[in-house]
Amino acid sequence: EAGVAQSPRYKIIEKRQSVAFWCNPISGHATLYWYQQILGQGPKLLIQFQNNGVVDDSQLPKDRFSAERLKGVDSTLKIQPAKLEDSAVYLCASSFGTDYGYTFGSGTRLTVV
Amino acid sequence: GENVEQHPSTLSVQEGDSAVIKCTYSDSASNYFPWYKQELGKRPQLIIDIRSNVGEKKDQRIAVTLNKTAKHFSLHITETQPEDSAVYFCAASKWSSGLIFGQGTELSVKP
Repeated sequence: EAGVAQSPRYKIIEKRQSVAFWCNPISGHATLYWYQQILGQGPKLLIQFQNNGVVDDSQLPKDRFSAERLKGVDSTLKIQPAKLEDSAVYLCASSFGTDYGYTFGSGTRLTVV
Repeated sequence: GENVEQHPSTLSVQEGDSAVIKCTYSDSASNYFPWYKQELGKRPQLIIDIRSNVGEKKDQRIAVTLNKTAKHFSLHITETQPEDSAVYFCAASKWSSGLIFGQGTELSVKP
């Protein structure tokens, strides 16, 4: 089966600029997650979608981060404006349901300078 | 909310020895506990998982144990090989919630 697709793989932006990441989950996976992984740390949950509805966005810095999942398939995560501390790998994952293992995408490595 | 603590942060073993990584969780309602392996520059990959109605699960050289009373679970790798070297993450979740990850353990297997 095809995996979770993410793009771009790498992005370098200046602080205060905006950036967007794209994710295409595995076909049939209703649950989609965005995680932020700072170097040397475990992934931190940003937002969880069930189909096209938000289940949990309690850890999403809503003053600068936004996410959507159109038609319950693809998802985009946006940061505007970016800060230096946003430098991290942004991982998208999908699963059949909330107590099933995730399949992660390759991630987008964001560097904010 | 859920909090997952993982120990040790680094672990070095000789090839052929066993490795044990331990995690504790705070939310007694958590019922799903997976372990992920992440090689440098790559995505986390699921290696084994356990649900709260099971105390132990084994898959070849890898096993996971769960103690619900103490709220801790452990990953056991036997007969370690150099290709086991990676960062390992434990995680926990409860029904309808996303996974909360531990801080990771960097395992180094020396030939």
